[in-house]
Amino acid sequence: KNEVEQSPQNLTAQEGEFITINCSYSVGISALHWLQQHPGGGIVSLFMLSSGKKKHGRLIATINIQEKHSSLHITASHPRDSAVYICAVTNTDKLIFGTGTRLQVFP
Amino acid sequence: KAGVTQTPRYLIKTRGQQVTLSCSPISGHRSVSWYQQTPGQGLQFLFEYFSETQRNKGNFPGRFSGRQFSNSRSEMNVSTLELGDSALYLCASSWKGIDAEAFFGQGTRLTVV
Repeated sequence: KNEVEQSPQNLTAQEGEFITINCSYSVGISALHWLQQHPGGGIVSLFMLSSGKKKHGRLIATINIQEKHSSLHITASHPRDSAVYICAVTNTDKLIFGTGTRLQVFP
Repeated sequence: KAGVTQTPRYLIKTRGQQVTLSCSPISGHRSVSWYQQTPGQGLQFLFEYFSETQRNKGNFPGRFSGRQFSNSRSEMNVSTLELGDSALYLCASSWKGIDAEAFFGQGTRLTVV
């Protein structure tokens, strides 16, 4: 079993829909990261969380430390949100990555 | 403010050769970390350097090594290349380390033939 699990693996949505991507982890962490990767490889860090909730534009990330679970929400999704979303945790002295969620938003 | 710069962007090498990849962090960032991304294994952490010292290391063989210079620029070296080393190699910089917000470069796509 992977130490960081994401669901779903693939997600399709119509423009305007509310999207949720989930991340569960089984190790102790000091921080959780949400990353976005577009075709071509470039990765952008969206959020870094150690507790609570953060919001940036249409993106919201939450973390529940007791349940070892985080969610990334996208409100009013847009085709430009199409990308792979990756959850990663900082565990002691290393980063552990989830396998990613591929999101496609259609007009 | 310039972003993280990785060179070269693409590289083709032959099995058995060695390769050196370069990463220039954002000005003022002292931490540089390296990652390997393959279709089969996804993203995996290689190592992190902070102020010229390797601070953290992932589970990779000794063929993978790195260093960081006094200007925080970092290089990653892979010796005796294997076909399985074909991957996208990404570096990221931050002001503090792997538990701080990271800024990624565009990556170097290495193909081993």
